[in-house]
Amino acid sequence: AQTVTQSQPEMSVQEAETVTLSCTYDTSENNYYLFWYKQPPSRQMILVIRQEAYKQQNATENRFSVNFQKAAKSFSLKISDSQLGDTAMYFCAFTPAYSGAGSYQLTFGKGTKLSVIP
Amino acid sequence: AAGVIQSPRHLIKEKRETATLKCYPIPRHDTVYWYQQGPGQDPQFLISFYEKMQSDKGSIPDRFSAQQFSDYHSELNMSSLELGDSALYFCASSEGQGATEAFFGQGTRLTVV
Repeated sequence: AQTVTQSQPEMSVQEAETVTLSCTYDTSENNYYLFWYKQPPSRQMILVIRQEAYKQQNATENRFSVNFQKAAKSFSLKISDSQLGDTAMYFCAFTPAYSGAGSYQLTFGKGTKLSVIP
Repeated sequence: AAGVIQSPRHLIKEKRETATLKCYPIPRHDTVYWYQQGPGQDPQFLISFYEKMQSDKGSIPDRFSAQQFSDYHSELNMSSLELGDSALYFCASSEGQGATEAFFGQGTRLTVV
């Protein structure tokens, strides 16, 4: 079984500053995917960024980037130039990479509530 | 672009009643996943379907059942509702085998009173 741990229940950052959200995970799988999802007050689950475990290069999506440390089983999210619209709950999630089952069973962390302060 | 559609968006039921939640995946998506998110909790995987067959099962109570139909839409049937079933129920869909991204619907908020 997989576990995902987010040790920061709440964080805040000043607008335009940079913030890093932490995530660690535990798995015996060798190939898997890691994700950061954003859940704003509307409760919609929005994919922020995805990392494939077999890729050493850290994923980047505009202002969002990750620091993926496979040996340490760490997957942190860095948000640069924080904007008010980034205020949301952020979930780190894991899924094993199945080759053919068509299944995509996400295990989520407990989430980090991020507040961007004007 | 078309997204995952869930209906209804909100539902209020009494204890011991039955509820049916519907999910319409993105066109050409053949896999559907159901998640339950209790108040202040992280989403928990319930069940998934690929090509109309159950592919994985998570922490779904025996009182719940689900299926995927020939048009790939899915329904989650919940019977003998309990207060603890009050939650946000998400559906997500993906395309093909070994998909690496699933798209979430906006969720159905079920309140059991």
